[in-house]
Amino acid sequence: GAVVSQHPSRVICKSGTSVKIECRSLDFQATTMFWYRQFPKQSLMLMATSNEGSKATYEQGVEKDKFLINHASLTLSTLTVTSAHPEDSSFYICSARPPGGSSYEQYFGPGTRLTVT
Amino acid sequence: GDSVTQMEGPVTLSEEAFLTINCTYTATGYPSLFWYVQYPGEGLQLLLKATKADDKGSNKGFEATYRKETTSFHLEKGSVQVSDSAVYFCALKGTYNQGGKLIFGQGTELSVKP
Repeated sequence: GAVVSQHPSRVICKSGTSVKIECRSLDFQATTMFWYRQFPKQSLMLMATSNEGSKATYEQGVEKDKFLINHASLTLSTLTVTSAHPEDSSFYICSARPPGGSSYEQYFGPGTRLTVT
Repeated sequence: GDSVTQMEGPVTLSEEAFLTINCTYTATGYPSLFWYVQYPGEGLQLLLKATKADDKGSNKGFEATYRKETTSFHLEKGSVQVSDSAVYFCALKGTYNQGGKLIFGQGTELSVKP
């Protein structure tokens, strides 16, 4: 089946620093990737949709200058949390959709746990 | 806006017990409904789906029926196994106004004991 990886799986950073999370589709090309955020005991909240070669589309309330998304190739999207603060601590999940796939045909990565101290 | 509500977990069952995880939704139009499963350390996987009223989705012994009259999509399995221990997410494909995006419930953790 389609596999999506995320790196790192866990990261701890100091307040004020930036951290980059990678999302890769390992065995298929993904024209669209999605970034979600999940708080404990809460649902996944879509942060942004990124299409290869174009700017990401952010959901209402998500700071685009804080959460920088780059989708430079058909197999890689990155999320950079800039000037991280403790309230940015969360579980970040990406998913990837193959070309021609409907919106529910998303293959999810295992997630990245970010802790900002 | 559209939303999904699941029963709170964790749910703890003995092996071979009957499972029900409740899911209700609020949506305009006629959304498609899904159950995703997340095993420990892995990404979410689509478990089953239903795209119109009265459809029944099924996979790996799990079933869910799209009930428009009660706006529900409850997940059921007749006899759970230890390997079913995971977090289960109910989701809907947003209607036109939501851009067709997936909207998730908060997830229900299931723990099956031998």
